Amino acid sequence: SAVISQKPSRDICQRGTSLTIQCQVDSQVTMMFWYRQQPGQSLTLIATANQGSEATYESGFVIDKFPISRPNLTFSTLTVSNMSPEDSSIYLCSVAENYGYTFGSGTRLTVV
Amino acid sequence: DAKTTQPTSMDCAEGRAANLPCNHSTISGNEYVYWYRQIHSQGPQYIIHGLKNNETNEMASLIITEDRKSSTLILPHATLRDTAVYYCIVPVGNTPLVFGKGTRLSVIA
Repeated sequence: SAVISQKPSRDICQRGTSLTIQCQVDSQVTMMFWYRQQPGQSLTLIATANQGSEATYESGFVIDKFPISRPNLTFSTLTVSNMSPEDSSIYLCSVAENYGYTFGSGTRLTVV
Repeated sequence: DAKTTQPTSMDCAEGRAANLPCNHSTISGNEYVYWYRQIHSQGPQYIIHGLKNNETNEMASLIITEDRKSSTLILPHATLRDTAVYYCIVPVGNTPLVFGKGTRLSVIA
């Protein structure tokens, strides 16, 4: 299965600032996704990162708040913009493979 | 995704088999059942998946009923490291996984 490296693994950020999370895959994958997991909750899909075109966002998530880049088939970034304490969550990237889906280890974000 | 229903939590004694049920009564004929687990503070980990036949791998066994409306994930000899939240998911095609609340399994020494 694909190996996903996600950076940073954790960060503490000031409110009003932005953080960019990187997701690097060791093989080319067609479909990449970004999820958010708020404290004590299950995973919620933020968007599908499309290579060469704009990301497809789920209801409740907008590009201005969570801009996503997908410059090639092995890399994507998610930016959490103008952060507030409500953005404190674990953010995970995921890729679709032939047998299923693989997830990164996540980025634990705390906004103070 | 087809809706799935799982118990909120379960306990299992260490060394015993853990049997985690899942109902997916609206599953379509060509949809697979996937199981993932999430150990605290880690990304979800793939366990197993199946269509209609029972499946087994090094981690677990998956038993799917003949009418495919329910399935059971079996961890044959649960250890403390199997304590996690287990998710039963029925994705549609290549759409991304949609996670419910899952079953919180506690393995007790």
